[in-house]
Amino acid sequence: GALVYQYPRRTICKSGTSMRMECQAVGFQATSVAWYRQSPQKTFELIALSTVNSAIKYEQNFTQEKFPISHPNLSFSSMTVLNAYLEDRGLYLCGAYRGTEVFFGKGTRLTVV
Amino acid sequence: QQKVQQSPESLIVPEGGMASLNCTSSDRNVDYFWWYRQHSGKSPKMLMSIFSNGEKEEGRFTVHLNKASLHTSLHIRDSQPSDSALYLCAPLTSGGNYKPTFGKGTSLVVHP
Repeated sequence: GALVYQYPRRTICKSGTSMRMECQAVGFQATSVAWYRQSPQKTFELIALSTVNSAIKYEQNFTQEKFPISHPNLSFSSMTVLNAYLEDRGLYLCGAYRGTEVFFGKGTRLTVV
Repeated sequence: QQKVQQSPESLIVPEGGMASLNCTSSDRNVDYFWWYRQHSGKSPKMLMSIFSNGEKEEGRFTVHLNKASLHTSLHIRDSQPSDSALYLCAPLTSGGNYKPTFGKGTSLVVHP
């Protein structure tokens, strides 16, 4: 079956510091990975879509300078939240594509203190 | 940027009742609509997708699609407490890369 693992599951970082989260597709080759943030109010935001061997496309309000993404192969992607502040808290979900289906990991919950 | 409107924001139905959820996209390039379900504390899971105009039924779940109006609806009959979750609609647009953009969701509560 298609599985997507994200780690860490939870992390706490001090305001102004950075943290890296990882996403791994198991059992299939993910040609694209979408990173989302779900706010405490449950709003779902697409951060960026990363496709192997193509430029990463960031959505409005999200930048490479703030959320650099690495997608070196078909099974792994990582994203860093640089200079995290309170408004960056939330559940960061990785969605790995298999065709038009998107499989989600369980997310990395970021708390900023 | 595509806008995805879901309504209602929240819905409470009694056990055994019918729940109807709506979703509209602003992007005429939409090819598919996906419906995802997210139980509290869990990651979203795919529920159903629809590509063609009309209706698609899977068990207690029925999805309708009207491509002309870019509107889809999800209907859950004989609702169960286990159906209580956040339901997310994701229109997928074509153009090289499929990029699901989610609506804010409908929070469904089915009370016994």
